[in-house]
Amino acid sequence: DTAVSQTPKYLVTQMGNDKSIKCEQNLGHDTMYWYKQDSKKFLKIMFSYNNKELIINETVPNRFSPKSPDKAHLNLHINSLELGDSAVYFCASTLTAGSSYNEQFFGPGTRLTVL
Amino acid sequence: QKEVEQNSGPLSVPEGAIASLNCTYSDRGSQSFFWYRQYSGKSPELIMSIYSNGDKEDGRFTAQLNKASQYVSLLIRDSQPSDSATYLCAVRGDSNYQLIWGAGTKLIIKP
Repeated sequence: DTAVSQTPKYLVTQMGNDKSIKCEQNLGHDTMYWYKQDSKKFLKIMFSYNNKELIINETVPNRFSPKSPDKAHLNLHINSLELGDSAVYFCASTLTAGSSYNEQFFGPGTRLTVL
Repeated sequence: QKEVEQNSGPLSVPEGAIASLNCTYSDRGSQSFFWYRQYSGKSPELIMSIYSNGDKEDGRFTAQLNKASQYVSLLIRDSQPSDSATYLCAVRGDSNYQLIWGAGTKLIIKP
């Protein structure tokens, strides 16, 4: 029974296309995150939602738009894809953002390749 | 700018030896510290968390925290080839909402 799941696992697309990645967690957590991990393996926070409210909105192109329909789901829509968007995108969740014990649990990742 | 620094490696350790991974952080007010392991092509997996000064042991893993020196380390005893992975250090900064991540240390255990 997967705790944090993402779809799709792989996404290959052409420059200029629009695509979405979906994330779901069944841990009962309040807070979810989107990370980007590039070829150098550095994890960069992009967005975070706490109970459907956006709480972290790092400096990313406005082509990236997160959406949280409920606290168990967090989606990421990317418009006008560029070559530099190629990376692995991880979804993560934590019990609650305000807790000192902010252990985050990760989904399996979505490997996006833009051609 | 809050930072977490790790030596990128690779750190090569013979099988059965102790692997020592180090991490320093810039935010003196940090309260929570985490070690994640990431195998190639997989997602980060939490292996240790530590919140107070001193040592915390879990099986072959020991996390060590020294807040005065702003230093956290991970020791892996009796290293196995299956321990070969990238180890990510993460620190909860002054905002409760996010972790500050290091770039990771690649560990190679040689049989």
